[in-house]
Amino acid sequence: NAGVTQTPKFRILKIGQSMTLQCTQDMNHNYMYWYRQDPGMGLKLIYYSVGAGITDKGEVPNGYNVSRSTTEDFPLRLELAAPSQTSVYFCASSFQVANNEQFFGPGTRLTVL
Amino acid sequence: RKEVEQDPGPFNVPEGATVAFNCTYSNSASQSFFWYRQDCRKEPKLLMSVYSSGNEDGRFTAQLNRASQYISLLIRDSKLSDSATYLCVVNVRDFNKFYFGSGTKLNVKP
Repeated sequence: NAGVTQTPKFRILKIGQSMTLQCTQDMNHNYMYWYRQDPGMGLKLIYYSVGAGITDKGEVPNGYNVSRSTTEDFPLRLELAAPSQTSVYFCASSFQVANNEQFFGPGTRLTVL
Repeated sequence: RKEVEQDPGPFNVPEGATVAFNCTYSNSASQSFFWYRQDCRKEPKLLMSVYSSGNEDGRFTAQLNRASQYISLLIRDSKLSDSATYLCVVNVRDFNKFYFGSGTKLNVKP
């Protein structure tokens, strides 16, 4: 199993540009999550999904959109990038929530200039 | 009020020392508790789950105190390789998400 994979690893965007961060898991997990981590800070939940076709907002959803058309994929869309979105983005998945480990992808480092 | 709070540290300890971290959580309906380890510029990885009766994994011991709403992590005989940030993670019953503390940084020095 590859686990959770994310692409790209690094990206520089100009203000106002858009992009999609890709996330795929091959563990047949129902639950998937997108977090952002600013330097020296903890993880903040952007969006999450409890299964294909179901998504919900987390703590910091503004400026982002997600979709979950399949169990495996959970892309994160940034529209009109702003410098405040400069961060490291982690995708994670888990089989359940209670008493279940989250598996993380390696992250995407995004800089908006 | 934050769901999960941790002392950010850093904790600077010599090799071989014993070090302990605490983490407090605010929601009494919290049901699952974890310690994750995060190395610099890497993704978090599960260190250990925390069970009600406490549990041990080699040099690491985790405890849960529901009455006072905190969990702890004890590291014995610290190694240089233990240098990392330790994240406290909590799941609240009926909520399909995890709450992360901001992490405690540990530096183990020779």
